[in-house]
Amino acid sequence: ETGVTQTPRHLVMGMTNKKSLKCEQHLGHNAMYWYKQSAKKPLELMFVYSLEERVENNSVPSRFSPECPNSSHLFLHLHTLQPEDSALYLCASSQERGVNTEAFFGQGTRLTVV
Amino acid sequence: GDSVTQMEGPVTLSEEAFLTINCTYTATGYPSLFWYVQYPGEGLQLLLKATKADDKGSNKGFEATYRKETTSFHLEKGSVQVSDSAVYFCALSPDLGAQKLVFGQGTRLTINP
Repeated sequence: ETGVTQTPRHLVMGMTNKKSLKCEQHLGHNAMYWYKQSAKKPLELMFVYSLEERVENNSVPSRFSPECPNSSHLFLHLHTLQPEDSALYLCASSQERGVNTEAFFGQGTRLTVV
Repeated sequence: GDSVTQMEGPVTLSEEAFLTINCTYTATGYPSLFWYVQYPGEGLQLLLKATKADDKGSNKGFEATYRKETTSFHLEKGSVQVSDSAVYFCALSPDLGAQKLVFGQGTRLTINP
């Protein structure tokens, strides 16, 4: 596989459930990101990991918990979500610093909280 | 803070029409500018970019010129196709990395045959 792969593509969960989103990149990048895409709103950056360390958390509620065990994998652990958390969650990766630092995005996980 | 404002959609055109999607930005310093495209059911793909004033990014018949004097980066295509139907996002970054990407709200484009 190449590029950035996200699983699952679709997820429906109740407000009391715990689930995890997975992202994997095969591009040799050293930075990974989670974005939230809600209807009629700009993409919101949630978390940034650079060299496996979290470097930015844009005031995201604690019911979202990221994990980056290595430079190729990124998880978003979800618990006690609210219906307004329903959105498309996009993962991206890039090579921080250097000439070609273009961001590559996965296809996203469509999350519905019921 | 930095921000991007895009032309509101949705935009509907006939095949072979000329396309312009306006994008203006507010930023300190000299950001890099990007257009991303999101096809139905897909993630975002980089369409084109420009890293300094007067640069023109181009790809797949789309073009955009970095205009510092008007703080704009309008997307244009001379003759659109049905396959261009997608959501287009203008974005900026103080550097080329994604960690500070600031996106506009997106413009949905539909091309009718």
